[in-house]
Amino acid sequence: DVKVTQSSRYLVKRTGEKVFLECVQDMDHENMFWYRQDPGLGLRLIYFSYDVKMKEKGDIPEGYSVSREKKERFSLILESASTNQTSMYLCASSPAGDIYNEQFFGPGTRLTVL
Amino acid sequence: AQSVTQLGSHVSVSEGALVLLRCNYSSSVPPYLFWYVQYPNQGLQLLLKYTTGATLVKGINGFEAEFKKSETSFHLTKPSAHMSDAAEYFCAVRLGVNYGGSQGNLIFGKGTKLSVKP
Repeated sequence: DVKVTQSSRYLVKRTGEKVFLECVQDMDHENMFWYRQDPGLGLRLIYFSYDVKMKEKGDIPEGYSVSREKKERFSLILESASTNQTSMYLCASSPAGDIYNEQFFGPGTRLTVL
Repeated sequence: AQSVTQLGSHVSVSEGALVLLRCNYSSSVPPYLFWYVQYPNQGLQLLLKYTTGATLVKGINGFEAEFKKSETSFHLTKPSAHMSDAAEYFCAVRLGVNYGGSQGNLIFGKGTKLSVKP
């Protein structure tokens, strides 16, 4: 059974803290994605990566950075958390090459910044 | 530029009634289209997808969707709603051609929350 896991389901942090969200996939997928989900706004792409050590900005990269040192792991970093980064964060992965394939999602991390 | 519009942020139906969730897209190339479902406090799960071939696509849990190129639509239907169908549903479109590193990207609609009344 394919799997995308995220390090925490719920996280509470304080303003100004550095926050790491971890995502691991066991499907040997090349592509990995970080989204944030907010009510009424749907899913918005923060960053994506199509290879180890490669990263591309999505639609809303400001205030975030990412790291992909290994193929199976994609980390989202909030350098200095702010209250407007309170959100649900979803990680996804997909294989390269076959453009018919869908993205597989993790369960999400609900982050609250106080 | 591609975009996805889901009509109705909330839809409420009675148990046993028809479910119809609307999705329209804009794309300058043949699209690949997806419907995902999200149950409370969970990630997204694929319901069905249209790539090429038959325009009526069947998915899991009795859902189906029809790709209508002339109407640029990909509406999701289920003949008889069940309480367990209460969830949020997302329509997504993907470019039908590769363009470098973004070949895996999807564009999502804002979602439709489905409520099912007993």
